[in-house]
Amino acid sequence: KQEVTQIPAALSVPEGENLVLNCSFTDSAIYNLQWFRQDPGKGLTSLLLIQSSQREQTSGRLNASLDKSSGRSTLYIAASQPGDSATYLCAAVDTNAGKSTFGDGTTLTVKP
Amino acid sequence: DGGITQSPKYLFRKEGQNVTLSCEQNLNHDAMYWYRQDPGQGLRLIYYSQIVNDFQKGDIAEGYSVSREKKESFPLTVTSAQKNPTAFYLCASSPTSVPTDTQYFGPGTRLTVL
Repeated sequence: KQEVTQIPAALSVPEGENLVLNCSFTDSAIYNLQWFRQDPGKGLTSLLLIQSSQREQTSGRLNASLDKSSGRSTLYIAASQPGDSATYLCAAVDTNAGKSTFGDGTTLTVKP
Repeated sequence: DGGITQSPKYLFRKEGQNVTLSCEQNLNHDAMYWYRQDPGQGLRLIYYSQIVNDFQKGDIAEGYSVSREKKESFPLTVTSAQKNPTAFYLCASSPTSVPTDTQYFGPGTRLTVL
């Protein structure tokens, strides 16, 4: 059974710092790996989706990488801003059942 | 505006009652999903539907029921058999049932059992 882990559970950084969020998964047989943002009490917003054949995706200040062999994905946020404060979740879609398995998320606080 | 709507935003239920959470999408998506989120945790799949009049159990289906009579609607009923229903419920849809599709999420319904 796929297990997805996100470390750390919480992260606090000063504005302007570059930072990396980590996501690890136990079963490398995945279709894709997706990163989401969730604001308190809200739904999820898709940030980046990396297909299994890809190694990274970029959108603005965000860059996500995928290393299937090691079971890891990272989300890099450049020049962090207070508006980036939110919980970031990753989800892996496995090839066995075609369902998404979510990590518990990393709650990011960017201090002005 | 195209998107996914969930209602109500907040719902309170007495023990022993059944309640139904609404999920509607006007994106013309084939697949729809229901997830449960507990504080500080990720999402767990309750039910999903790949096409109208068809649905499958997810990882935590016990105590829940769904229907998919229309493409745009996928209501979730939380029955009295669900022992710990207080949680945040999220509905999602994707264009097709192909696993590589992106999922789009609604704003969620917070259910509290009194």
